[in-house]
Amino acid sequence: AQKITQTQPGMFVQEKEAVTLDCTYDTSDQSYGLFWYKQPSSGEMIFLIYQGSYDEQNATEGRYSLNFQKARKSANLVISASQLGDSAMYFCAMRVRGAQKLVFGQGTRLTINP
Amino acid sequence: GAVVSQHPSWVICKSGTSVKIECRSLDFQATTMFWYRQFPKQSLMLMATSNEGSKATYEQGVEKDKFLINHASLTLSTLTVTSAHPEDSSFYICSARNTRTSSKETQYFGPGTRLLVL
Repeated sequence: AQKITQTQPGMFVQEKEAVTLDCTYDTSDQSYGLFWYKQPSSGEMIFLIYQGSYDEQNATEGRYSLNFQKARKSANLVISASQLGDSAMYFCAMRVRGAQKLVFGQGTRLTINP
Repeated sequence: GAVVSQHPSWVICKSGTSVKIECRSLDFQATTMFWYRQFPKQSLMLMATSNEGSKATYEQGVEKDKFLINHASLTLSTLTVTSAHPEDSSFYICSARNTRTSSKETQYFGPGTRLLVL
C-alpha cells in the first residue's frame, strides 16, 4: 500500500521568503510519480509540479521546485520568493505505475504574512 | 494546463431529493475520471474511479446505489447523489486524466461542487 505523509499542518511565512513544505512517501514500487497540488479557499485543486521516480533531476516550474530525495523517500516542495497569493492548502500526492488513483497526504495550510 | 469544468458550483437541496453533478474535460479526452469528496479541513477522499464506457469502481465504504456515476463519453462524467440527506453535505471534486497519452501523467481537477442538504 502507498502512503503520503505531510507532517506540517500549518506553516506561516513572511512574504518574499522561501518556504519548504515537507512530504514523505512510502511505497514498495520502484516506478511512481509524485505530485503537488495547491488548493486555495475557492476549493479548486491546482496542479503545481510533477516528479517521476526515475527522473534524475529535480523538477522545477517557475517559483516551484521539488526537492526529490529518493533514498529518503521525500519529495518536498520549495516555493521561492513567496507571495500573498501563495496562501492556500498544499497537497502532496503519489501514483504508482499501473495504478489509476492518486494517494493524497493530509495537506499543509500555508499562510503568507505581509 | 488542461481544463476540467464542474456544474453546478454549488447546490442547496431538500433532504430526499437527488442531485446531479456534471464533470467535463474541455480540451482533452478523459479516458478516466475520478470523483472525490472533501470535508472541511480534511484531505480528498476518493469515492470512485470511472473509465469511459464501463462501470465505475467504487472505493470501500462508498455506497454505489447512493452515488451513481456515469461516464458515457470521453468528455463527460456525472455523479448523482440519490435521496440526499444532510450527512451527504460536502465538497465534491471531479478529476480527469487521459490514460492513453503516456506523456500526460497529470491528473486535472474541476473547481468542485459544494452540496448542502437541508
